[in-house]
Amino acid sequence: QVQLVQSGAEVKKPGASVKVSCKASGYTFTGYYMHWVRQAPGQGLEWMGRINPNSGGTNYAQKFQGRVTMTRDTSISTAYMELSRLRSDDTAVYYCARDLHPYGDYGSLDYWGQGTLVTVSS
Amino acid sequence: QSALTQPASVSGSPGQSITISCTGTSSDVGGYNYVSWYQQHPGKAPKLMIYEVSNRPSGVPDRFSGSKSGNTASLTISGLQAEDEADYYCSSYTSSSTGVFGGGTKLTVL
Repeated sequence: QVQLVQSGAEVKKPGASVKVSCKASGYTFTGYYMHWVRQAPGQGLEWMGRINPNSGGTNYAQKFQGRVTMTRDTSISTAYMELSRLRSDDTAVYYCARDLHPYGDYGSLDYWGQGTLVTVSS
Repeated sequence: QSALTQPASVSGSPGQSITISCTGTSSDVGGYNYVSWYQQHPGKAPKLMIYEVSNRPSGVPDRFSGSKSGNTASLTISGLQAEDEADYYCSSYTSSSTGVFGGGTKLTVL
């Protein structure tokens, strides 16, 4: 069965960076785009970007351009999202989520990780 | 890319039908048939309920249906049940090859 297992909660100071991992199993990792979505406490969902695990190609939301980097390691079926220059308003639960269609990149996210809470506080 | 517009809240009684709207622009909702709807219960990850405007993933009850007209997509839930109480989010593919979510709608089953 398809599973996305994310790394554990993180506490960071303002200005630091955080790297969240998302280990996929139960399907061909390189066949499905992986998206990253975040949710601040009590707030809605926010699309951050996505990576093509096959090519490594990325597309980021304009808001995060220059601060976010999405990578992958196909040898261990794991995607990563690194966010730099953290601010207090980056405090949120970060989710990885798989696109529905093989090689599709249209944002229908059928499997989600359990979420990783990142807290930014001095 | 601005968030899609959803009503903050809707409510209905068990057995009734409700509709949640999701308004965007011709650069997202109106330009593509790649609108999705997600259900999120407190403390849980979102669950895909509708994709490509009106398609239901396997396991989603047929009480859930989606449609689109112009720049506005809609999610209709018929025969409301207590377990449908949750937050609902729409999302769309955009002309920038990015994604965008709506602000979310809290559904209360009275």
